[in-house]
Amino acid sequence: EVQLVETGGSLVQPGKSLKLTCATSGFTFSNAWMHWVRQSPEKQLEWVAQIKAKSNNYATYYAESVKGRFTISRDDSKSSVYLQMNSLKEEDTAIYYCSWYFDFWGPGTMVTVSS
Amino acid sequence: DVVMTQTPPSLSVAIGQSVSISCKSSQSLVASDKNTYLNWLLQSPGRSPKRLIYQVSKLDSGVPDRFSGSGSEKDFTLKISRVEAEDLGVYYCLQGTHLPRTFGGGTKLELK
Repeated sequence: EVQLVETGGSLVQPGKSLKLTCATSGFTFSNAWMHWVRQSPEKQLEWVAQIKAKSNNYATYYAESVKGRFTISRDDSKSSVYLQMNSLKEEDTAIYYCSWYFDFWGPGTMVTVSS
Repeated sequence: DVVMTQTPPSLSVAIGQSVSISCKSSQSLVASDKNTYLNWLLQSPGRSPKRLIYQVSKLDSGVPDRFSGSGSEKDFTLKISRVEAEDLGVYYCLQGTHLPRTFGGGTKLELK
């Protein structure tokens, strides 16, 4: 059974950092292209970042709204993907989901950026 | 960025009724490999999104054949025949052809 579980969300002040983890199981993670997607309090879905597999040189891509502040990475030995979020802004407040090929999604983790 | 415009924003339906949702993109979604990466997702209340259809018309495993997708280039449609209670929620289209990936604004399917 495919499973994805995000952790690491919390309440954080503007300008601070946070790292999200998505632990996966049930599929060949090393071959998987993984995504982070967020859903704002207004329920709009926004693609955040993508990381390809080792065979694609772990290529990464970002939404313009997070480029230079967020970094997606992966550890194939742990079947996990990460999202390092720096210089957080109030508009980054959202539920953050990781997804495998948009086919499978985790339950999400809540990030609230507020002073 | 490719803008995905979904209509209508909401639909009120009776069980057993058929409905259609439109999704129009600001650019062609035909990729260099000739595939069209248009997906339809359903987010049921309190749940994560779930993909129903990929590449315009291919049903994901376990998705009832009451669901069907059609379209090409920039104009796509999701049809639900004989709506059931479990179909209620918010439907999103998502393009995977261009970077950044972009979602439609959603269509909320409610019971009449």
